[in-house]
This record gives sequence, C-alpha cells and structure tokens, in this order.
Amino acid sequence: QMQLQESGPALVKPSETLSLTCSVSGGSISTYYWSWIRQPPGKGLEWIGYIYKGVETKYSSSLKRRVTISVDTSKNQVSLRLSSVTAADTAVYFCARSGYFSPSTDYYYFHMDVWGKGTSVIVSS
Amino acid sequence: SYVLTQPPSVSVAPGQTARQTCGGINIGSKSVHWYQQKSGQAPVLVVYDNSDRPSGIPERFSGSNSGNTAILTISRVEAGDEADYYCQVWDSSTDHWIFGGGTKLTVL
Repeated sequence: QMQLQESGPALVKPSETLSLTCSVSGGSISTYYWSWIRQPPGKGLEWIGYIYKGVETKYSSSLKRRVTISVDTSKNQVSLRLSSVTAADTAVYFCARSGYFSPSTDYYYFHMDVWGKGTSVIVSS
Repeated sequence: SYVLTQPPSVSVAPGQTARQTCGGINIGSKSVHWYQQKSGQAPVLVVYDNSDRPSGIPERFSGSNSGNTAILTISRVEAGDEADYYCQVWDSSTDHWIFGGGTKLTVL
C-alpha cells in the first residue's frame, strides 16, 4: 500500500521560497503522475501542478511563474518549490498520486487515489 | 479555463438519499471524480471515472454523468458521511486538473 508523507517548514517569511517534500513509500514514483494540491484555511482544493516520469511538468496557470516541481528518484521523493510567497499562499499543502497509464487497457487514468495527510504552511513575518 | 460548479451545501436526514451535483459545460464528455474530505483530514477518492468505486468505498456511493451535470449519490446516508465533497475533472485542453468549489454535506 503506497503511502505519502509531506514535510517542510511550517512557517515561511513573505517574499521567501516555500520548499516541501513528499516522501513516497510502498512503491516507485517512476510510473505515476504526482500532483501538489493546496487548501487555504476554510476554502476549497486548488491544484498546483504535476510531474510525470520525472521530466514532464505542468503547472496551474495562476502559479506557473512561481512553481517548480521535481523528483529525486533515488530518495523516492517529490518536491515543491513556490517562490515569492505572500500571505495568500498560507494553506495546507497535499501531495497526491494523480494518474497512471494502464498497459492492459491502453488508457490513462487521471484520478487522485493516494493522498498524503498534508502539511500546514503559514506565510508570516 | 474549464469551470466546475457545485452548490455550497446540501442537507439530508439519516437514512435518506443525498444527491450532489457538479456542473460544467459538456461535462458528460469528461471523466468525473469525486472526493470526500472530513474535517481536518486529507481528501479520499470515493468515485472515479464517473461511476467506479475504489476498493473499500461502500456501494452506497454512486455516480453518474451526462450532459452538463455530474451527480454523486449517497444512499442510506449515515452521520459519518458528513463532509465536504469535491468533484474533479482532467481538462485535456490544458493538461490541468480542475476541482469544483466543494459541497458541504450536513446530516440532520
């Protein structure tokens, strides 16, 4: 059973860079889509971006100028960097397994079936 | 960009059926996924590809999708079903995942 665990600083100063890591256990990260999603206090879910096979990335239009998602296959980790943060970036950040290709059905599945518990990040001086 | 619209809240008595809608232009042509998020917890996938259930999800949860509306139906609602529910699609024109705004299900 694959499990995900987010980690990183709980407090980040405005204008600095938020850096989070998602550690994956119970399987390889190589063949899946991995997404970061965030949820501001009292609000809904916002997709941030994904990485696939360590090279293909796509970011939300509203965040793409500030976001970088990468993988470290040797550590089985997916990372998120969000630069120039403001108070509006205060949120719980989740990582999730968000898709895969099934050779048996020749079909890509794009649902988020495994989630980490999330990590809370506050942007404040 | 593609927009998904969900009502902010739905209320239902225990034992009754809750139907939650997710609206989008021609959403019937897309695969819709539904997530349950209880207070303080991570979301959990309850329906994927319009009507399939992951293992461990009760048969009380079902989904349908046609035209401009997808529906998550919860039969024989229990107190433990009280949560926020989010619909989601993959927008192939932008390679973006899109979430609806979420519906808070209250069990009376």
